[in-house]
Amino acid sequence: GENVEQHPSTLSVQEGDSAVIKCTYSDSASNYFPWYKQELGKRPQLIIDIRSNVGEKKDQRIAVTLNKTAKHFSLHITETQPEDSAVYFCAARSNDYKLSFGAGTTVTVRA
Amino acid sequence: DVKVTQSSRYLVKRTGEKVFLECVQDMDHENMFWYRQDPGLGLRLIYFSYDVKMKEKGDIPEGYSVSREKKERFSLILESASTNQTSMYLCASSPIHRGPFYGYTFGSGTRLTVV
Repeated sequence: GENVEQHPSTLSVQEGDSAVIKCTYSDSASNYFPWYKQELGKRPQLIIDIRSNVGEKKDQRIAVTLNKTAKHFSLHITETQPEDSAVYFCAARSNDYKLSFGAGTTVTVRA
Repeated sequence: DVKVTQSSRYLVKRTGEKVFLECVQDMDHENMFWYRQDPGLGLRLIYFSYDVKMKEKGDIPEGYSVSREKKERFSLILESASTNQTSMYLCASSPIHRGPFYGYTFGSGTRLTVV
């Protein structure tokens, strides 16, 4: 099955700086890569996703890049704000339509 | 707005008890999933279902079973609860088995403590 690795496990950034989270996947058939944000005590929520026929996608301060050859994808958050503090999960989906998740990255934005 | 509702936010059960975790979604989604979330391990798939009365094992099905008698409801059953099943349990749903690739909508989670 699919194996998704996520790094780093924790990330502390100064407010206004950028944050980057990286994930790798093992199944070359994977074709859909969503990112979820989970605030403390709340449910994970989809914040951005990318499909395998696209290399980059941007939505305001967040962007995701995908390198299919290297089998890795990344989340970029620019101009970080305190409300960006949360746990972020990457995931990958292959032909069996299940999502496999990374272990999560705890992002702390320092004021 | 899609809603996925888990019946309990917090549960405390004794070792050996049979435990039922309920999940209901209101958007006619075909797919439903049960994950457990543990620090440092992320979300691990326990069981999933693509249709009524259909179920498939995920990555960590041992000690669990599921039931899907109606499309909107997916139940996770711990046949005999053990302390190593203390965890946060998340239910999720998504539309369409094949076709556009939609992410999941998650429930709020049930934090289960087995004592």
